[in-house]
Amino acid sequence: DAGVIQSPRHEVTEMGQEVTLRCKPISGHDYLFWYRQTMMRGLELLIYFNNNVPIDDSGMPEDRFSAKMPNASFSTLKIQPSEPRDSAVYFCASSGGRDRGIYEQYFGPGTRLTVT
Amino acid sequence: AQSVTQPDIHITVSEGASLELRCNYSYGATPYLFWYVQSPGQGLQLLLKYFSGDTLVQGIKGFEAEFKRSQSSFNLRKPSVHWSDAAEYFCAVAPTGGGNKLTFGTGTQLKVEL
Repeated sequence: DAGVIQSPRHEVTEMGQEVTLRCKPISGHDYLFWYRQTMMRGLELLIYFNNNVPIDDSGMPEDRFSAKMPNASFSTLKIQPSEPRDSAVYFCASSGGRDRGIYEQYFGPGTRLTVT
Repeated sequence: AQSVTQPDIHITVSEGASLELRCNYSYGATPYLFWYVQSPGQGLQLLLKYFSGDTLVQGIKGFEAEFKRSQSSFNLRKPSVHWSDAAEYFCAVAPTGGGNKLTFGTGTQLKVEL
């Protein structure tokens, strides 16, 4: 299995531009999580999906952030418009167990976003 | 609300020495407990987990952790550290009553001296 795949690995953009981050979870996993990692705030859960349906988006910082999961093998996290404070590493993770297995999450390598 | 504290931001050990990374949690009951490791430029990888039962749990790469209810702790240990263990280590907790969300600590950066 290729693991969780994220693209791009690095993204540099100017303030005000739209940014789209992509994630392909592990085949067969029915939970998908988006996290953001910064020095100041550590690792934060932004949103998670179960069977392609958003379950909890309480961690999404503001309306500029949106996430979709159109099918079981693809998810996007979009920031529009981007701001310098959005600079961070964004991780996608998936899990496929029942009950407690949801916590055994497999992380992708992350996308390092820099907004200038 | 649950929380997890990793009091050590950085730890340096010599290769071959023993290691203990501290983790304390705050929660109304015993939560589920986890340790993840993040190598440079990589995502997090699950090292081990505690749900219930035996308070000493074994994980991958020779790591173990001990749950101590009286101290609200879940410290990670390894008897002999290898240079490849240099990474950042995250303790995480999850509620036993559901909720499906992990809460991560701030991490401990481990440096291994040769």
